[in-house]
Amino acid sequence: QVQLVESGGGVVQPGRSLRLSCAASGFTFSIFTMHWVRQAPGKGLEWLAVIWFDGSNKYHVDSVKGRFTISRDNSKNTLYLQMNSLRAEDTALYFCARDGHNSAVDGFDYWGQGTLVTVSS
Amino acid sequence: DIQMTQSPSTLSASVGDTVTITCRTSQSISNWLAWYQQKPGKAPKLLIYKASTLESGVPSRFSGSGSGTEFTLTISSLQPDDFATYYCQLYDSFYTFGQGTKLEIK
Repeated sequence: QVQLVESGGGVVQPGRSLRLSCAASGFTFSIFTMHWVRQAPGKGLEWLAVIWFDGSNKYHVDSVKGRFTISRDNSKNTLYLQMNSLRAEDTALYFCARDGHNSAVDGFDYWGQGTLVTVSS
Repeated sequence: DIQMTQSPSTLSASVGDTVTITCRTSQSISNWLAWYQQKPGKAPKLLIYKASTLESGVPSRFSGSGSGTEFTLTISSLQPDDFATYYCQLYDSFYTFGQGTKLEIK
């Protein structure tokens, strides 16, 4: 069955970096577009970034552009989010999600359980 | 950027009721809209895509409608498991979420 497992979260000081990973299994990772979404404590969902199936295109929301970078390694079935210059407002639960378009589902059809990032001194 | 406005932010209802949640966009998005359900501490779950297509396995009491700039999610005959937070999402070159609607038990 499809599984997405995030890792790499933790407590980090403002200004430091962190790299999140999302290990995919149960489907052909290399043909699916993937996303990162976050949710600050008690707040709504914020879409962060998308990467095409082959990594050829990627887009980031303005609030993280220039600080966060989405990438993937299809040989390892893994999605990444490199987060630099972290701020207190980046504190959130970070989800990876599969874009279901290749399964004729125009939405995020599978999600990981999330990894918590806390930015605090 | 396309702005999304989801309403209401909170909705109180009883088991058996029918409720409607609305999502409006600042410009036409055709039918590129999805709806999700999220329970506390859990990942969102896709309910509806392309404004009105029910995701596999989702009960038929959930339905979506609309196109252009106004969309609705209707839940008929509310069940105890339906009390959760619901989000609409633009599904296009960007994937903005609405602000969310918390559906509470009256």
